[in-house]
Amino acid sequence: ETGVTQTPRHLVMGMTNKKSLKCEQHLGHNAMYWYKQSAKKPLELMFVYSLEERVENNSVPSRFSPECPNSSHLFLHLHTLQPEDSALYLCASSQDSIGSGNTIYFGEGSWLTVV
Amino acid sequence: DAKTTQPPSMDCAEGRAANLPCNHSTISGNEYVYWYRQIHSQGPQYIIHGLKNNETNEMASLIITEDRKSSTLILPHATLRDTAVYYCIVRVEGGNYGQNFVFGPGTRLSVLP
Repeated sequence: ETGVTQTPRHLVMGMTNKKSLKCEQHLGHNAMYWYKQSAKKPLELMFVYSLEERVENNSVPSRFSPECPNSSHLFLHLHTLQPEDSALYLCASSQDSIGSGNTIYFGEGSWLTVV
Repeated sequence: DAKTTQPPSMDCAEGRAANLPCNHSTISGNEYVYWYRQIHSQGPQYIIHGLKNNETNEMASLIITEDRKSSTLILPHATLRDTAVYYCIVRVEGGNYGQNFVFGPGTRLSVLP
């Protein structure tokens, strides 16, 4: 139990569907992240939110839309995805402050299959 | 791109120490070394991190060379449950959030009975 909870753990969706992934952190952190891990590839950073504002967007296609309503919750809204978007989507959080060697904590991930 | 180099795979006998090396020859003075591991189908798990000094916690020990260009993660008594991919990450302190946690391919450690 890392203090970062992701739901659902598994999701199968059609290319025309709209679905959302949810992440909740119970660590009191002020930054949250979405990472994508495709088969046999390293983790790729998708989005970063700090104090509920998006500070990083690594050129992610617009069919992925993040939302951070407060510092404890993060969503990834999915719309008209492609089969190549099938992957493990990981949420993480950290307490961003200078000089502390901040650690990032991950949830268990949501396995997404696009059919 | 990841700033670290790790062997793609290693084997270790159960009960023995597992020593996982990492090269980070371009590391700067304010950059921390982090280790994570990922067991199949799960999120990465934090193990340990350090800046200059050797560190130890309940999971592992981290040995950083004096010139800081390489480090070794030591699992003192490896068990079958330690079979995982281990990631060595160099992070810039005070830099952009999350951007600094760049994961490479890691080392796939297999603990053998």
